[in-house]
Amino acid sequence: QVQLVQSGAEVKKPGASVKVSCKASGYTFNNYDINWVRQAPGQGLEWMGRMNPKSDDIGYAQKFQGRVSITRNISISTAYMELSSLRSEDTAVYYCARSHDSSYDAFDVWGHGTMVTVSS
Amino acid sequence: QSVLTQPPSLSAAPRQRVTISCSGSSSNIGTNDVNWYQQVPGKAPKLLVYYDDLVASGVSDRFSASKSGTSASLAISGLQSEDEADYYCATWDDSLKGMVFGGGTKLTVL
Repeated sequence: QVQLVQSGAEVKKPGASVKVSCKASGYTFNNYDINWVRQAPGQGLEWMGRMNPKSDDIGYAQKFQGRVSITRNISISTAYMELSSLRSEDTAVYYCARSHDSSYDAFDVWGHGTMVTVSS
Repeated sequence: QSVLTQPPSLSAAPRQRVTISCSGSSSNIGTNDVNWYQQVPGKAPKLLVYYDDLVASGVSDRFSASKSGTSASLAISGLQSEDEADYYCATWDDSLKGMVFGGGTKLTVL
């Protein structure tokens, strides 16, 4: 079945970086954009950026420009999101989500989420 | 402060119909398609509606959505206990050049 499997929970110190992986299976990885969305504890959803695996076109939310990097390894159908200069406010569950085949802006398959805790 | 405004909470009894509103502006809802998600606590969001009013595959036909101008709404008919969840609207914002979400609406089934 179509699924996105994410890497495990992380605990990082302020100022460090974190890299979360998202492995796709059950579909052709190249054919669908991958988005990253985060959710702080008790808060709403926040879009971070999007990548086209085939073209490697990438777009980032203005809020995260310069601090986030989305990459991919096509050979293993895996996307990555790296966030640097971590601060306590970055504590959140990070999701990868696939764009719908008819609408890039609709996310039809989601990973299970990766909890990232930033604490000294 | 979210770009898209939703009521923080709503409650209704089983079998009733409830509508969740999502208010935006000309740079987001007024120009782009609206999508709706359901999120049960502790789980990843689930796509309910895309392209303003198309119900996603596998989603109950008790869910429907519409859009008018710079506002959108999600309706759930025949409420069931399993509908108790957080609901989010989302769309692209031309000014911010990114996806934006509403703050979410917590639906309680009494």
